[in-house]
Amino acid sequence: QLQLQESGPGLVKPSETLSLTCTVSSGSIRSANFYWGWIRQPPGKGLEWIGAIYYNGNTYYNPSLKSRVTITIDTSKNQFSLKLNSVTAADTAVYSCARVGGDFTYFDSWGQGTLVSVSS
Amino acid sequence: QSALTQPRSVSGSPGQSVTISCTGTSSDVGDYNYVSWYQQHPGKAPKLMIYDVTKRPSGVPDRFSGSKSGNTASLTISGLQAEDDADYYCCSYAGRYTLVFGGGTKVTVL
Repeated sequence: QLQLQESGPGLVKPSETLSLTCTVSSGSIRSANFYWGWIRQPPGKGLEWIGAIYYNGNTYYNPSLKSRVTITIDTSKNQFSLKLNSVTAADTAVYSCARVGGDFTYFDSWGQGTLVSVSS
Repeated sequence: QSALTQPRSVSGSPGQSVTISCTGTSSDVGDYNYVSWYQQHPGKAPKLMIYDVTKRPSGVPDRFSGSKSGNTASLTISGLQAEDDADYYCCSYAGRYTLVFGGGTKVTVL
């Protein structure tokens, strides 16, 4: 069964860059049938799609975050990563990685999520 | 790209049916048959319950059903059970490889 696991610092200072990695196991990130995405959920609030990447490196971003987000992929390590720069307290959230199926139409497998707090 | 609109909460007694609405625009829900629904229990990862408006992944009980009319999609839970007490989120494809979520609905089983 496909597994996704987020990793990275749980605390980031304001104005700095948030960096997370998602490691995919029991499945190949090179699959042509899927994309790989990031979603976040501020405490007590709803889900927000951040962006996604295809195995060939093509990226797709939420227009509201596009100027601050970079998603990359390392197929040799079966990992993909998120960078969000110039963070503020509003970026405090649980960040989750997920597989995007159905030709970019739904999330069929999720990581457990990791809380990232932005604070000095 | 604005979040889809869902009611903050709905409730029902065991055995009853509840319906959650998800209202978007002609640029997302109304333009594509790509609405999905997710169930999330506290502290847990979301779980895909419905995709492509009406389809259920393997293992999801047939008590869960989806539909769409115009710019509004709906999730109906029939024969409500205690384990259905959770948050539910809709999501729609919004064109140009973008996705948008709803604000979430808390389902309470009384």
